[in-house]
Parts: sequence; structure tokens; C-alpha cells
Amino acid sequence: DQQVKQNSPSLSVQEGRISILNCDYTNSMFDYFLWYKKYPAEGPTFLISISSIKDKNEDGRFTVFLNKSAKHLSLHIVPSQPGDSAVYFCAATGNTPLVFGKGTRLSVIA
Amino acid sequence: GAGVSQSPSNKVTEKGKDVELRCDPISGHTALYWYRQSLGQGLEFLIYFQGNSAPDKSGLPSDRFSAERTGGSVSTLTIQRTQQEDSAVYLCASSLGQGGWGEQYFGPGTRLTVT
Repeated sequence: DQQVKQNSPSLSVQEGRISILNCDYTNSMFDYFLWYKKYPAEGPTFLISISSIKDKNEDGRFTVFLNKSAKHLSLHIVPSQPGDSAVYFCAATGNTPLVFGKGTRLSVIA
Repeated sequence: GAGVSQSPSNKVTEKGKDVELRCDPISGHTALYWYRQSLGQGLEFLIYFQGNSAPDKSGLPSDRFSAERTGGSVSTLTIQRTQQEDSAVYLCASSLGQGGWGEQYFGPGTRLTVT
């Protein structure tokens, strides 16, 4: 039973365009959501988070949107850069261990 | 400053052998976590240490898995009688442990291969 789902295993975007990565969750007790980015042979690095009391959080080129009624969140990266090419993991918690999705591999093409 | 470090970076072992994986968290971080990532899967929570509290072992997949944290710093994850399904990347993370399960800092992981 996957509580956090990233249904797109991969995504290709041209440099300068917007990248949109999606994440769905099933557990209504989740109240805090995070995005991590992972390069090969490195551990995941924290990117951005959002609390369930908000519907949007922005940090530079990165914006996370949360739709609680749909149990859906998305990460927008604009403009996309080649250095953004990595695997992106969505994670969720409700004061419980983080539950991670399987990740989406983003390739930004120059 | 130094990040989370893990050793070894790679470990190949024969089925049935015991292995120990080490994690050095960021200095001053009171919370320490172990995860594993099997091929094509997301990160799977294993165990969580917070200060001097009893660890949360709810993610350990079997009694062959154990972990300890000495002096509130370095942690060792031990897998006894390894099986091929234990092959994965084992990741350690630490955080300031200010409450909740928020931002965690990950090490580079140990890739374990059981032959």
C-alpha cells in the first residue's frame, strides 16, 4: 500500500521551461510535505517543504503547491536549468517517520 | 561544516554473513535516522534515534536488523545472516531534532550487495 505516489518515473524538459513534478498521497493524517533532490552516488538533499496549513510555498525558482482536498502536491521549477537534472522525491509525515515516493527522474535538456 | 558521513561506501558480502554499517551524523544533531533504498523504490524508514529516548524501531524489517547509537553520536546498523533481498543502499540522516520529522540531512549511503 503506497501512501505516497509519484506516478511519473521520469520527465524531460527543455532548459528555460517549467518543470512540474507531481505527488499524490492517501493518508489524510499527513500534515507536512517535503521535496528532496538526489544526484547519483549522493544522499538526498532537502529542497523545499510545505505545511498543510498553506497551499503554496515559494523559494527562488522552486514552488510547491498543496491541494489538500485532492491529496495532491506539485513542485514547480522555473526556469529549469541543466543542473536541476536529478531524481526528485516527495515525502510526507504526520508526526510519523517520513514516507517517501519512488521518485521522478528529471532531465533538463540544454 | 562536515556533513553526514557513512562507511563503507560499498560493501559486498556473502549470503549468511553479518555486516555493520556506520554513520557519523552532523555534530550537534540529536536525531539520527536510518533508511534503505532498494532498486527502483523510494526510501524506506528503518529506525530513528532522538537524544536519550528509546529508538523508534518500527521500520526494521526483521529481527536480523538492529542498530545502536553510542554517546548520542555515531550509529551502527547491523544486519545479521544477510540475505540477497537485503541488497540496497542504506542511507543515514540526521537533524536538529527540534520536533517533528522535518528537514533531514542525508549521508551518501552505503551500497550493500549480498551475493
